[in-house]
Amino acid sequence: AQKITQTQPGMFVQEKEAVTLDCTYDTSDPSYGLFWYKQPSSGEMIFLIYQGSYDQQNATEGRYSLNFQKARKSANLVISASQLGDSAMYFCAMREGPFYGGSQGNLIFGKGTKLSVKP
Amino acid sequence: ETGVTQSPTHLIKTRGQQVTLRCSSQSGHNTVSWYQQALGQGPQFIFQYYREEENGRGNFPPRFSGLQFPNYSSELNVNALELDDSALYLCASSGRGTPGNTIYFGEGSWLTVV
Repeated sequence: AQKITQTQPGMFVQEKEAVTLDCTYDTSDPSYGLFWYKQPSSGEMIFLIYQGSYDQQNATEGRYSLNFQKARKSANLVISASQLGDSAMYFCAMREGPFYGGSQGNLIFGKGTKLSVKP
Repeated sequence: ETGVTQSPTHLIKTRGQQVTLRCSSQSGHNTVSWYQQALGQGPQFIFQYYREEENGRGNFPPRFSGLQFPNYSSELNVNALELDDSALYLCASSGRGTPGNTIYFGEGSWLTVV
């Protein structure tokens, strides 16, 4: 079974509008972290936002927010006021287990969603 | 700018050859991981290094090996290259002081095997 599922291969959004990218995950570990990354065509994987499984509040970073619904095992990324530069691949990823010094752990990635912002 | 730098950015190798990819991690980050990303896929974890020792490995054969140096920089070596090794190779670093030991990636090395 896939541990990270991104059901939207491609999405279109009008410039200045908000968009939600879906991500569901599967784990039996009570301690885990969820990450969203942006990957432009250049290849660099750019960190956007992080949510820990024990965090009480939904994470926010500027125009990015994470809609974390633990019981439903979903961690959707919301991008507000889309910009043309937001056009890229977006990956949801999960790390299982407790974190400690030296344990970066391995990230499990979904297949990604290609976001296109229209002017 | 993540502070993680990789070299070379692009290279072409012939099947059967060997390749070495290099990564300089962000200052203060003592853990480095390598990922392989095939076209149209999400990255796959290869292995992780901490204090110059491998302490985690994904489902990759032994011809994928690595090193971490005292300054925390790292190398990924791939022997006996196969056509399916053509991919983007990403280096990631992390360390204490960031939420959940946030993992930062470099720009990657594009490897083409012909």
